[in-house]
Amino acid sequence: DVKVTQSSRYLVKRTGEKVFLECVQDMDHENMFWYRQDPGLGLRLIYFSYDVKMKEKGDIPEGYSVSREKKERFSLILESASTNQTSMYLCASRTAGQSSYEQYFGPGTRLTVT
Amino acid sequence: ILNVEQSPQSLHVQEGDSTNFTCSFPSSNFYALHWYRWETAKSPEALFVMTLNGDEKKKGRISATLNTKEGYSYLYIKGSQPEDSATYLCAFYDYKLSFGAGTTVTVRA
Repeated sequence: DVKVTQSSRYLVKRTGEKVFLECVQDMDHENMFWYRQDPGLGLRLIYFSYDVKMKEKGDIPEGYSVSREKKERFSLILESASTNQTSMYLCASRTAGQSSYEQYFGPGTRLTVT
Repeated sequence: ILNVEQSPQSLHVQEGDSTNFTCSFPSSNFYALHWYRWETAKSPEALFVMTLNGDEKKKGRISATLNTKEGYSYLYIKGSQPEDSATYLCAFYDYKLSFGAGTTVTVRA
């Protein structure tokens, strides 16, 4: 069974704090992704990584950065958290290559910034 | 940002009834269309990945069809059960996935 785990299910942070969201997958997947999900909107891609030390901006990268030092781990960093970053954050991974390869998702982290 | 639209946004179904809903996507440069089911408090899980025009996929009581020329896919649930209650997401693959906002299905017993 593919497993994608995220460091926290719920997180409450204050405005201006630096926030780290961690994601680990155990299937040796090359590609990893960070999304946020807000009511009425689809999953929106923040950043993705094709492989170790590689990163690409997604559709909404502003206010975020990422780190991928090891293949199994992909971190999302909120440099200075703001209230408009209150959201559900989902990590996903997949094998590189074919468009038909599905993505495997973590359980999500619900982040509240006060 | 690719425009992927799902309708309706939500629907309520009586147990035992069948239902269907739509995903529309750009009809040019098609690679794949993914369907995911997202149950409350769980991770989204892949239902189908469809790559060919005219594709039909089935998993139990859930099936999907694909029309790449006109840019739409239908997902059908036959004989809905309470465990089918979930948000169903479609996503268009163009070297990355662009998701629709989802259709939330609530099955009433």
